[in-house]
Amino acid sequence: NAGVTQTPKFQVLKTGQSMTLQCAQDMNHEYMSWYRQDPGMGLRLIHYSVGAGITDQGEVPNGYNVSRSTTEDFPLRLLSAAPSQTSVYFCASTSSPGDSPLHFGNGTRLTVT
Amino acid sequence: EDKVVQSPLSLVVHEGDTVTLNCSYEVTNFRSLLWYKQEKKAPTFLFMLTSSGIEKKSGRLSSILDKKELFSILNITATQTGDSAVYLCGKGAQKLVFGQGTRLTINP
Repeated sequence: NAGVTQTPKFQVLKTGQSMTLQCAQDMNHEYMSWYRQDPGMGLRLIHYSVGAGITDQGEVPNGYNVSRSTTEDFPLRLLSAAPSQTSVYFCASTSSPGDSPLHFGNGTRLTVT
Repeated sequence: EDKVVQSPLSLVVHEGDTVTLNCSYEVTNFRSLLWYKQEKKAPTFLFMLTSSGIEKKSGRLSSILDKKELFSILNITATQTGDSAVYLCGKGAQKLVFGQGTRLTINP
């Protein structure tokens, strides 16, 4: 049972570089979301999607883009990385937000120098 | 904006102690309140609470929700070193918002 799979596990970027964090789930969940977690802080919602073709902003969306072309995949794009985006990023999914718990991936640790 | 506040932020106790972790929230858009345990990697689900006054229990862990006073507590009895983790409380549905977490350390 793969669940929620995130790649890569670790990434180092230079300021200004772009990259895409990948997230895939095999549970046929309509809802997917991205969080970032900084030291001493909880999870902060970046973007979320309630189904293919539908995305919306969370608490901290600036500097990040998302798209949802399929039910399975929800990539997170950093167009021009900044040191402030150094964080651990978690992708999560659920069949019904508010009625069923989120299932989290194992995270991507991103360092921007 | 939805807000979830957890307390304490950090707690150190001895093995065998009982601990109570607190989570307060704002009333807007309430659908459910969730508790997660986070060790090294991904948060793992503990409880989902939707109804006030009904205790959820799993072994030594239990949680209850008070929708009138807008808070939830997570109790852990007879703590073990394996309970050391960050405990996260989250509220909402499509916009599930989390608190800062409580870092619990259990010393042998």
